[in-house]
Amino acid sequence: QQPVQSPQAVILREGEDAVINCSSSKALYSVHWYRQKHGEAPVFLMILLKGGEQKGHDKISASFNEKKQQSSLYLTASQLSYSGTYFCGTLRRPGSSNTGKLIFGQGTTLQVKP
Amino acid sequence: EAQVTQNPRYLITVTGKKLTVTCSQNMNHEYMSWYRQDPGLGLRQIYYSMNVEVTDKGDVPEGYKVSRKEKRNFPLILESPSPNQTSLYFCATGGLGNQPQHFGDGTRLSIL
Repeated sequence: QQPVQSPQAVILREGEDAVINCSSSKALYSVHWYRQKHGEAPVFLMILLKGGEQKGHDKISASFNEKKQQSSLYLTASQLSYSGTYFCGTLRRPGSSNTGKLIFGQGTTLQVKP
Repeated sequence: EAQVTQNPRYLITVTGKKLTVTCSQNMNHEYMSWYRQDPGLGLRQIYYSMNVEVTDKGDVPEGYKVSRKEKRNFPLILESPSPNQTSLYFCATGGLGNQPQHFGDGTRLSIL
């Protein structure tokens, strides 16, 4: 049931771009994205509610392909502050089993080097 | 200021000694959750609560109990802790619909 994230880890130089993918085997209602710095709590980035929805926050954006049950997080011109572990969280469709569960992927560790 | 407060932040204890981790929120959220985080496994949901007196199992509920007697509080209870429950625990509120989930600062438990 846990969504699958890829890649597991990525190392970038400042200014480079990265894409993190999140796939689910179940029909999705929404996808959440969070970033966790080492030793800290996860922090909310964005939620995508509708298939085809795209959102952006500074140079971080995401898309949600409802039909493919996938979401992707795009980090453009990465900065040192982008380093951390990124988690996607998925909510099932209302009316299906386990709709109350926000289930997280295993995380993608991103390291941005100078 | 929106807050999710967990206590304690750190605890070292011994097998079998009952413990409670408290969680309190000031956002009037109906939905609250407990997660454990272990290396390589991400955040795994232990229990969640849709409202007062409404709780349900997450993915890894064995060995844990919760209660939701008031909207703001959602304590996690380990009746007889064992070493495999050594982990980093997060309480969270919100997360349904278009609501972001807010996490507490975490509780690092070590069960010897």
